[in-house]
Amino acid sequence: TQLLEQSPQFLSIQEGENLTVYCNSSSVFSSLQWYRQEPGEGPVLLVTVVTGGEVKKLKRLTFQFGDARKDSSLHITAAQPGDTGLYLCAGAGKGTYKYIFGTGTRLKVLA
Amino acid sequence: DAGITQSPRHKVTETGTPVTLRCHQTENHRYMYWYRQDPGHGLRLIHYSYGVKDTDKGEVSDGYSVSRSKTEDFLLTLESATSSQTSVYFCAISKSGTGDSYEQYFGPGTRLTVT
Repeated sequence: TQLLEQSPQFLSIQEGENLTVYCNSSSVFSSLQWYRQEPGEGPVLLVTVVTGGEVKKLKRLTFQFGDARKDSSLHITAAQPGDTGLYLCAGAGKGTYKYIFGTGTRLKVLA
Repeated sequence: DAGITQSPRHKVTETGTPVTLRCHQTENHRYMYWYRQDPGHGLRLIHYSYGVKDTDKGEVSDGYSVSRSKTEDFLLTLESATSSQTSVYFCAISKSGTGDSYEQYFGPGTRLTVT
């Protein structure tokens, strides 16, 4: 059974701080995605990474896919209260349309 | 926005009653999914569909059935609701993304409480 473990589960930081969220598995994924979810809403796709070692940037968010395509990280620079939410990673095998989701990291950024 | 709506958005029902949740999409996507979300478990796949009348089980399918008679609608039925099925249910579609990946887009969710 494929599993995706996220760490930390909870994170509370002050505005302006940096943080990193990790998504780890013993399985190889063809693609890995990051989502952000706000209370009362569905997850919203932030990014998809597909190549081992790939780095993508989305404003203050930096996403990296591990060389072996088993892990990923999300780094936020100078966090803002608007970054508050649940961050989820999800992996999929090659050509598959089934996804495995991590358990999530709940981030709170205090003003 | 992938044009996904879910109904109802909130429902309270009693143990033992049947419940049907509806997911409707407007963009003619082939793949549709039902997930449940519970604290500490993230999103878990219940059932998915890869075309009209083509469905398959996910990791937590016991107690649930699905139907897809039209491309745009994917129904999730709890035959006899139990308290363990109290959860938030999300519908999703997927479409081609980067490389050969598929990217998922979610509906707003249905909060179901079974008393």
